[in-house]
Amino acid sequence: DGGITQSPKYLFRKEGQNVTLSCEQNLNHDAMYWYRQDPGQGLRLIYYSQIVNDFQKGDIAEGYSVSREKKESFPLTVTSAQKNPTAFYLCASSMRVRTEAFFGQGTRLTVV
Amino acid sequence: AQTVTQSQPEMSVQEAETVTLSCTYDTSESDYYLFWYKQPPSRQMILVIRQEAYKQQNATENRFSVNFQKAAKSFSLKISDSQLGDAAMYFCAYRSGDTDKLIFGTGTRLQVFP
Repeated sequence: DGGITQSPKYLFRKEGQNVTLSCEQNLNHDAMYWYRQDPGQGLRLIYYSQIVNDFQKGDIAEGYSVSREKKESFPLTVTSAQKNPTAFYLCASSMRVRTEAFFGQGTRLTVV
Repeated sequence: AQTVTQSQPEMSVQEAETVTLSCTYDTSESDYYLFWYKQPPSRQMILVIRQEAYKQQNATENRFSVNFQKAAKSFSLKISDSQLGDAAMYFCAYRSGDTDKLIFGTGTRLQVFP
């Protein structure tokens, strides 16, 4: 079945550790996105990528990093520089322009 | 920079009645696309409806329709014959036709009462 897979669903890390969230899609989509969702703040864009080997910062990129080495994969690393990393993270993908984005089921990251 | 504003944190409606959720956006671009997404308690994002900015006709999808006012930069969602299953968070979204940047508003929580 085609879709977007985020793993794991729940992730726990100790403060000061980097952690990488996985996002894989088999929809042959060009564009991919990472969002952070906190209560009352909607979805805030972290990074997005239009094509392989290229990505742009979103509105809250500080403390995060991404790579886009393959079309189907867009992993997000939450670094120790991110001051409040505990949140729900959503990955999405879409065809270039004119179409809606499809979302994964999200990863709930808790840093203790 | 583009922005999306949803000024109603919460709304409520009785079953079978009609409710309208508001959304305004700001952009200097001429090529863009607007969306409404629904997020039920499962947190899975579901597309409700989309509107291309170049189209004057308002989009409709069954019980869901939009009122797209391009000059006013307004994009409201009307839900007719509300059902209990419509209860969810609703997000308005803007996608740039130039950069593919996709941004969301802060959401409106819709409650549906029997």
